[in-house]
Amino acid sequence: DVKVTQSSRYLVKRTGEKVFLECVQDMDHENMFWYRQDPGLGLRLIYFSYDVKMKEKGDIPEGYSVSREKKERFSLILESASTNQTSMYLCASRRPGQGRGTEAFFGQGTRLTVV
Amino acid sequence: LAKTTQPISMDSYEGQEVNITCSHNNIATNDYITWYQQFPSQGPRFIIQGYKTKVTNEVASLFIPADRKSSTLSLPRVSLSDTAVYYCLVGDIRDSGTYKYIFGTGTRLKVLA
Repeated sequence: DVKVTQSSRYLVKRTGEKVFLECVQDMDHENMFWYRQDPGLGLRLIYFSYDVKMKEKGDIPEGYSVSREKKERFSLILESASTNQTSMYLCASRRPGQGRGTEAFFGQGTRLTVV
Repeated sequence: LAKTTQPISMDSYEGQEVNITCSHNNIATNDYITWYQQFPSQGPRFIIQGYKTKVTNEVASLFIPADRKSSTLSLPRVSLSDTAVYYCLVGDIRDSGTYKYIFGTGTRLKVLA
């Protein structure tokens, strides 16, 4: 059974803290993604990584950075957490390309609250 | 930039067939169309994918006209457990050649008893 695992289901952090959200996949996928989801806004792409140590900005990268040192692990870093980063964060992985077998698999999400 | 447009919400009754249409006017020649389902407090999960004409699996059908500028997800005989948000997604190839995988705002389907 394929799996994308996010390290925390719920997280509460203080304003200004450095926050690490971890994601691990066991499918040997090259592509990994971080999204945030807010009511009425759907899923918005923060960053994605198309291979180890390779990354590209998504639509809303400001205030975030990422790390992909190993193929199976993709970390999202909030350099200095702010209250407007309170959100549900979703990690996904997929095989590159299009067509059969390239669908994305998602983790269960991390609900982050910044106080 | 590939972009999708879907209705924000739909209501249906149990046992009915539900059709959700997605518009993707700028779809590229090589792009597939993929649909996901998301329940509250869970990550999205894959439903169906197609390139042209009709695709059917055990949970849904996907209809794609010849011009591929839209697609319709069809859910036969929905039940209360089909209440979810449904996302349509097409490719977004960046200049680097990488594939960005952008979701839209989705369609919130509510199935009523």
